[in-house]
Amino acid sequence: NAGVMQNPRHLVRRRGQEARLRCSPMKGHSHVYWYRQLPEEGLKFMVYLQKENIIDESGMPKERFSAEFPKEGPSILRIQQVVRGDSAAYFCASSPDGDNEQFFGPGTRLTVL
Amino acid sequence: SQKIEQNSEALNIQEGKTATLTCNYTNYSPAYLQWYRQDPGRGPVFLLLIRENEKEKRKERLKVTFDTTLKQSLFHITASQPADSATYLCALYSSASKIIFGSGTRLSIRP
Repeated sequence: NAGVMQNPRHLVRRRGQEARLRCSPMKGHSHVYWYRQLPEEGLKFMVYLQKENIIDESGMPKERFSAEFPKEGPSILRIQQVVRGDSAAYFCASSPDGDNEQFFGPGTRLTVL
Repeated sequence: SQKIEQNSEALNIQEGKTATLTCNYTNYSPAYLQWYRQDPGRGPVFLLLIRENEKEKRKERLKVTFDTTLKQSLFHITASQPADSATYLCALYSSASKIIFGSGTRLSIRP
C-alpha cells in the first residue's frame, strides 16, 4: 500500500503563472487535507475535502486559491497568478475518516521567482 | 482567541536523558490530541494520539499525558538518542473536523 503521494516535489513558477499541486491519498482514504508550511513555522491548515466535496476551506485565501478532490483522480490544489509570498512547502494528508491520524505526503516545495 | 503553544522553539538535551515537550492550548475543547515528528524536508509522521478521557498513553520510549483541566499535554522521550533529533508537533482535533497544529519544538539530542 503506497503512502500519500504528491507531485511535483519541487515546482518553480514566475510571478503571475499558475501552480497546480497534486495529491494522491492512500488507498481507501477518502479524506484529504492540505496544509502550508513556511520555513521555521508550523503547519497551517488550508482546506479539508472528501470525495467531490469541500468540507472546510476556512484556511484558504479567498482569492487565487482553489482545491478539488474529484471522484476519480488526485486532489488538486490550484494557485492562480502566484506571488512571491506563495513560496512555501505544501503538504497533503489523508485519513480513512475525519476522526483519526493523518498520513502525510512528502510535500511540494513551491518557489515563486 | 484560540491558541496552541509549544514550549521553546528549540530544546537541547544530553543523550540518555528524558526529553519533555509541552503543548498548551486555550479556548479549545479538543476531543483528542496528537503528536507528530517532522524531519527536515519531509512531511510529519504520526506518533501518538490521546483522547480527552485518557490521562496517559505510552508507545515504546514515548509517553504522552493529557490534562484537560490545565489544558496541557506533555510529550516525553525516555533514554533519548541522537536519532530522536527532529521537530515535534502537537495537534488538536477541533470541532470543525480539522486538525490544528502547533508551531513545533525542535529537539536536538547531543551525544
